[in-house]
Amino acid sequence: GQSLEQPSEVTAVEGAIVQINCTYQTSGFYGLSWYQQHDGGAPTFLSYNALDGLEETGRFSSFLSRSDSYGYLLLQELQMKDSASYFCAVRDQDNQGGKLIFGQGTELSVKP
Amino acid sequence: GAGVSQSPSNKVTEKGKDVELRCDPISGHTALYWYRQSLGQGLEFLIYFQGNSAPDKSGLPSDRFSAERTGGSVSTLTIQRTQQEDSAVYLCASSKLGGGNQPQHFGDGTRLSIL
Repeated sequence: GQSLEQPSEVTAVEGAIVQINCTYQTSGFYGLSWYQQHDGGAPTFLSYNALDGLEETGRFSSFLSRSDSYGYLLLQELQMKDSASYFCAVRDQDNQGGKLIFGQGTELSVKP
Repeated sequence: GAGVSQSPSNKVTEKGKDVELRCDPISGHTALYWYRQSLGQGLEFLIYFQGNSAPDKSGLPSDRFSAERTGGSVSTLTIQRTQQEDSAVYLCASSKLGGGNQPQHFGDGTRLSIL
């Protein structure tokens, strides 16, 4: 079957750094994405990794190791507004577009 | 520009009734996706439309679920003879084609409650 594992919840304080891990087991692998979802809102795209290594976008970075079927999202200089759910998602088909398989999400709580 | 628009935002209906959920994607996006999200859970893929190709229906949970996309734009997800387990938020997303780095842009969803 297809599965993505990520911690259900993480708590950190404002200004800190937090890492959210994701391991995946899918029939195919054509990239790992991260999405953020605030309570009751629409998921919004954060990052995408197709190749091994670190991608940095402002305070957020994402890492991928295809040999380990593993990736993580790193959030630096945490702010209260970063409190949200974070989902990793794998594209498992090699075509333009294509569905995403999502993890169950990690609820991040940022405390003052 | 306008984002993905879904309607209605909320729908309450009785078990056994049919419901139609609408999605208006971002103009120029040729790929359109439907997902379902139960409370506190991840997103479950339902169906995917790509241009004029046959849709990928592999995620539809039963034959009570169907979707169409007319004119390559607006899509309607129909659930017939609704059951209580159909209660969830139904999310629509659209994207440009061109590889996995094209992000999916989501609407705010339709919160469906079956009584």
